[in-house]
Amino acid sequence: SQTIHQWPATLVQPVGSPLSLECTVEGTSNPNLYWYRQAAGRGLQLLFYSVGIGQISSEVPQNLSASRPQDRQFILSSKKLLLSDSGFYLCAWMAGELSYEQYFGPGTRLTVT
Amino acid sequence: LAKTTQPISMDSYEGQEVNITCSHNNIATNDYITWYQQFPSQGPRFIIQGYKTKVTNEVASLFIPADRKSSTLSLPRVSLSDTAVYYCLVVFSGGYNKLIFGAGTRLAVHP
Repeated sequence: SQTIHQWPATLVQPVGSPLSLECTVEGTSNPNLYWYRQAAGRGLQLLFYSVGIGQISSEVPQNLSASRPQDRQFILSSKKLLLSDSGFYLCAWMAGELSYEQYFGPGTRLTVT
Repeated sequence: LAKTTQPISMDSYEGQEVNITCSHNNIATNDYITWYQQFPSQGPRFIIQGYKTKVTNEVASLFIPADRKSSTLSLPRVSLSDTAVYYCLVVFSGGYNKLIFGAGTRLAVHP
C-alpha cells in the first residue's frame, strides 16, 4: 500500500533562519507531488506541484522553493524564514492525471518566532 | 479554475442526514467535482468525486444537477465523529489535477 511520510512533525524556527521540510512517498512510482500550506482556521493554499523529477511549478510567489531530487521525494525549502511562513505544511501525492484523489501526509506544524 | 462557494458552517445532530451544497457557476466541461474532509491537525481526506448525476459510496452521496453549476454532498446519519471541515473542489482535468481549496464548511454534529 502507498504511504506518505513528512518530517519533522513540528518545528520552531527563528525569523531569518533556513528551512527544509521533507516528504517521501512509498508504494507508488512517478506520482504527482504537491506542497500546501494552511494558516490557522483557513483553507489549504497550494504552494508547489511536481509531475516528475526536477519539474516544479510554483503557484504562489514567495520566499519558499521546492525541489524533487528523486521520484518519490519532495523537499520544501527557504533561505530566510518570515513570520508569515508559520503554518501547517502538508505534502500530498496523486497517482496521475487520471485520478482526482490526493493522499495527504501527516503534516509539519511550523512556528516562526 | 472554477471558484466554489459553500456555507461557512453548519450544525446537525447525531443520526440526522446532512446536506452541504456547493456552487461552482463557471465549471468547465472537463472539470470534475470532489469533496474532502479534514479533521484538526490532519491532512484532508478524499470523500467522493463525480462528474454528473449521482455518485454514492460507502460514506456519502454526491448529487450533481444537469447544469453542473452546483453539487450537494449528502452524509447519511451523521455521528459525532463526522464533525470536521468539508471542502468542495473543482478539479480541472487538464491541469495536472491541481486542487484549489476554499475555506470549506465547518460541520458541527451535536449529541
